[in-house]
Amino acid sequence: DGGITQSPKYLFRKEGQNVTLSCEQNLNHDAMYWYRQDPGQGLRLIYYSQIVNDFQKGDIAEGYSVSREKKESFPLTVTSAQKNPTAFYLCASYPRGRDQPQHFGDGTRLSIL
Amino acid sequence: AQSVAQPEDQVNVAEGNPLTVKCTYSVSGNPYLFWYVQYPNRGLQFLLKYITGDNLVKGSYGFEAEFNKSQTSFHLKKPSALVSDSALYFCAVRDILSSGNTGKLIFGQGTTLQVKP
Repeated sequence: DGGITQSPKYLFRKEGQNVTLSCEQNLNHDAMYWYRQDPGQGLRLIYYSQIVNDFQKGDIAEGYSVSREKKESFPLTVTSAQKNPTAFYLCASYPRGRDQPQHFGDGTRLSIL
Repeated sequence: AQSVAQPEDQVNVAEGNPLTVKCTYSVSGNPYLFWYVQYPNRGLQFLLKYITGDNLVKGSYGFEAEFNKSQTSFHLKKPSALVSDSALYFCAVRDILSSGNTGKLIFGQGTTLQVKP
């Protein structure tokens, strides 16, 4: 079955440490997104990529970095500059066609040790 | 600026009763509207969308939504609620004028639906 796989499901970060969240899709979608979800705040866009080797900042990009070397993969690095990284992180992808919904993975929950 | 508002943090309804989860939006162009559902520690699942055409759209699991252009609303409804419908519901809008073909969505803050037996 086609879908989006996020790993790991749970992740712990120590102070001063960078951590990388994986997102892989086999839907052949061109665009991919990273969102941060905090209680009562909905989803906030961190970064998005429409094609390989290109990506744009979203609303809360500070303290995060991404790469898009392959169409299927869009990893997110939470750097030590992100002072409040505890959240639920969701990856999504989007096919061509403006009337299509985004498809979501099952998320990674990041906590601070 | 584009925005989506879900005015209720939580909606409580008895099983078998009709339910409504409210959503209003503000965009500069024509909106594409979506509803998603999220169960605990899971991703968002697509329920239904409005693009154009009939104002009443039907989606998964018996849900439907009514688009009202004059009131800029897109309320989610279901004639008879199930306990298993208890979850977090998100309304989202894509403003074609500003987002182009990026696929970007703007999400509401979410509404928790609690269906009691």
